[in-house]
Amino acid sequence: SYELTQPPSVSVSPGQTASITCSGDKLGNKYASWYQQKPGQSPVLVIYQDTKRPSGIPERFSGSNSGNTATLTISGTQAMDEADYYCQAWDSSTHVVFGGGTKLTVL
Amino acid sequence: QVQLQESGPGLVKPSQTLSLTCIVSGGSIISSGYYWSWIRQHPGKGLEWIGFIYHTGNTYYTPSLRSRVAMSVDTSKNQFFLKLNSVTAADTAVYYCARDHSTSPHFDSWGQGTLVTVSS
Repeated sequence: SYELTQPPSVSVSPGQTASITCSGDKLGNKYASWYQQKPGQSPVLVIYQDTKRPSGIPERFSGSNSGNTATLTISGTQAMDEADYYCQAWDSSTHVVFGGGTKLTVL
Repeated sequence: QVQLQESGPGLVKPSQTLSLTCIVSGGSIISSGYYWSWIRQHPGKGLEWIGFIYHTGNTYYTPSLRSRVAMSVDTSKNQFFLKLNSVTAADTAVYYCARDHSTSPHFDSWGQGTLVTVSS
């Protein structure tokens, strides 16, 4: 079955750039999406089709996907960006698959 | 702006069937190009996709749960449903319903989630 691997945690200082990676076999050949989840809340889509931002998502959120790695980048990270982030892709064998999640700490 | 809301019992006994409803508002469940999914999250853990249903009734379930899951849809009420049978404590989780784009699967609208606890 297809798997996506994320680092359990990433730390960033306010105002700096945070990068969260998601690895999977030939992930660059698939579309990757990213979700932000704050405690007690439902996930929110922040990036889809590798690089697209839904309306209402700040421009500081961006995405890329190439080779075996998709990356979510948060520029000028703010305290409000502290959350869990999940990548997601579609594979013909398992259909929808999520990464294990990354806890972003802004300190 | 489409909205989704889950409803159903918060407590289910072991070996029984978990049944949840997702009410869709602000949009039609028969809109083309969308699948309607169930996703769960075990306490303190990550997201697990359970499966999806199309408004025609076509379904796809994740292999690990396929033997215990059934999804259905009522287009007249703009609702879709999840049934998970033979539940155990391992099925205790927050269950979300979500809208999924068929062309490039991603979930742009989520319900608020409902916690289902399996316990006697």
